[in-house]
Amino acid sequence: AQSVTQLDSQVPVFEEAPVELRCNYSSSVSVYLFWYVQYPNQGLQLLLKYLSGSTLVKGINGFEAEFNKSQTSFHLRKPSVHISDTAEYFCAVHNFGNEKLTFGTGTRLTIIP
Amino acid sequence: DVKVTQSSRYLVKRTGEKVFLECVQDMDHENMFWYRQDPGLGLRLIYFSYDVKMKEKGDIPEGYSVSREKKERFSLILESASTNQTSMYLCASSLVIEETQYFGPGTRLLVL
Repeated sequence: AQSVTQLDSQVPVFEEAPVELRCNYSSSVSVYLFWYVQYPNQGLQLLLKYLSGSTLVKGINGFEAEFNKSQTSFHLRKPSVHISDTAEYFCAVHNFGNEKLTFGTGTRLTIIP
Repeated sequence: DVKVTQSSRYLVKRTGEKVFLECVQDMDHENMFWYRQDPGLGLRLIYFSYDVKMKEKGDIPEGYSVSREKKERFSLILESASTNQTSMYLCASSLVIEETQYFGPGTRLLVL
């Protein structure tokens, strides 16, 4: 069975500081990995995804993530956050051969002016 | 741009009522999904459908049913609403089942 762990439920960060949101997954087969963002009172939208190829993936709004197979991690990073990055971030994993996407419990990012 | 719309943003129902949540996508996607989102639990899959009239149970199907009579529309039905079904319900669609899912804005359901 696949599972996704987001270790931090809430992360407060000062504006213009860097941020890392952590995501670990468990799977015995190859995976596709995703980060979704949910702005207040909205649905989720795709931030970035890893399907294959380069392990460093760049997404929208200056975010990037690195797939680390040996550590089964897919941490999300941004070098300098903005007030508009205030949102909830969800990591998700899709196992090959499984029809379902499994989501983590989410990390609420709060930007402090 | 893919657009997924949900029939209501907010809904208030009474215990025991039959509730219909509608979802429509405009990009001819084969796959459609219903999730519920609760604080601290993330998104949990209720049902999904990979074709018209086809449905598969997700992780928490109890108390719910679905209907997909047309490709663009996927309905979630609460047969007899209960207070523990108070939640945010999100619909999504995707072209390929293992690829990007596109989400609607969500329906916040309160069952009294």
